[in-house]
Amino acid sequence: GESVGLHLPTLSVQEGDNSIINCAYSNSASDYFIWYKQESGKGPQFIIDIRSNMDKRQGQRVTVLLNKTVKHLSLQIAATQPGDSAVYFCAENRYSGYSTLTFGKGTMLLVSP
Amino acid sequence: DTAVSQTPKYLVTQMGNDKSIKCEQNLGHDTMYWYKQDSKKFLKIMFSYNNKELIINETVPNRFSPKSPDKAHLNLHINSLELGDSAVYFCASSPGTAGTGELFFGEGSRLTVL
Repeated sequence: GESVGLHLPTLSVQEGDNSIINCAYSNSASDYFIWYKQESGKGPQFIIDIRSNMDKRQGQRVTVLLNKTVKHLSLQIAATQPGDSAVYFCAENRYSGYSTLTFGKGTMLLVSP
Repeated sequence: DTAVSQTPKYLVTQMGNDKSIKCEQNLGHDTMYWYKQDSKKFLKIMFSYNNKELIINETVPNRFSPKSPDKAHLNLHINSLELGDSAVYFCASSPGTAGTGELFFGEGSRLTVL
């Protein structure tokens, strides 16, 4: 379970709303930017990635936007469901024969029925 | 079928003890990782092996020693455990040729040092 006083940034939404989770990154040399979802008691799970030469990518109910000018990444979740409640992490990857991921601080998404 | 499996899931031990966490992946991936997640949920890379060869060794106390007997296994041994070692340790794997950053994580091993 979660620790008391975790103090993660938290986004609370109602079921059916659209959610936007934001992330600032630091390394302009990153090749890919990735979003992971971590449910309570489980390991992080890949959601979607975007290559550094793109500015938008869509998946099923999710869209990732990349703004390299201000080094900003966002994850949009359409029609948020209670099962989307989790901690979301952005990560940067610099690939040199193997992946080197640097994770950002997480954001907790709470979806109320 | 569990893709990345770690054992044990929970580990409670006294300061000063030595303990090991094991990890196995059945995905045929070339690269395996150990990450540490602290109480604030911050995930930090500790080690990475590619085809049994150490390729990432972050600033981690030398009390932590990874071992990869083959490319499907990456174990983590910790000597002289300290209170600050309490965390959740995640094993992960990725295909060696994929540059996207898609890692496959295990369920984590929660270590509590008393």
